Amino acid sequence: NAGVTQTPKFRILKIGQSMTLQCTQDMNHNYMYWYRQDPGMGLKLIYYSVGAGITDKGEVPNGYNVSRSTTEDFPLRLELAAPSQTSVYFCASSSEFSGVGELFFGEGSRLTVL
Amino acid sequence: KQEVTQIPAALSVPEGENLVLNCSFTDSAIYNLQWFRQDPGKGLTSLLLIQSSQREQTSGRLNASLDKSSGRSTLYIAASQPGDSATYLCAVSGTYKYIFGTGTRLKVLA
Repeated sequence: NAGVTQTPKFRILKIGQSMTLQCTQDMNHNYMYWYRQDPGMGLKLIYYSVGAGITDKGEVPNGYNVSRSTTEDFPLRLELAAPSQTSVYFCASSSEFSGVGELFFGEGSRLTVL
Repeated sequence: KQEVTQIPAALSVPEGENLVLNCSFTDSAIYNLQWFRQDPGKGLTSLLLIQSSQREQTSGRLNASLDKSSGRSTLYIAASQPGDSATYLCAVSGTYKYIFGTGTRLKVLA
């Protein structure tokens, strides 16, 4: 049982380049999330989705886009990368159970923008 | 807007001590609260989930309590070990999402 899988694990981008972080889960969860974690900080919510075709902004959405065409996949798109987007990105998923149930995380994607 | 605070930001204790980590939140209308552990350079591992109707949850040497009315949760670690050294994060959920605290960095000295 793979859980939440993120790719790539590491990536270096040049300023202005674009890329997509992939996230897939095999637990049939409707709720999926993208967080970023800067050094020594907690996690900030970028975007979330409560089901296929439904997405919404979190606390720090600027510079990112998402789509949710299937229950399993929730890719995060970075357009025109900037040094401020250097961070570790975590994808997570959850069932809906009394609100949001237990949150399961991927292993993270470490992105550096130079 | 929900805000989650964890105090202290860092803690260093000798092995064998019992310790308490604190988490406070500004909006008491939460559904669940979850405690996580994060090792350096790694992802997050779920430790305990407390539903809003519950007062506490226990797993081994860990016990988490929740007081919604005062906007507080505590994570109690009994008989701490060097292997407990990590960052501990709490997160509270509304209807659709979790908001995280900034974490407590714990170091247990042998």
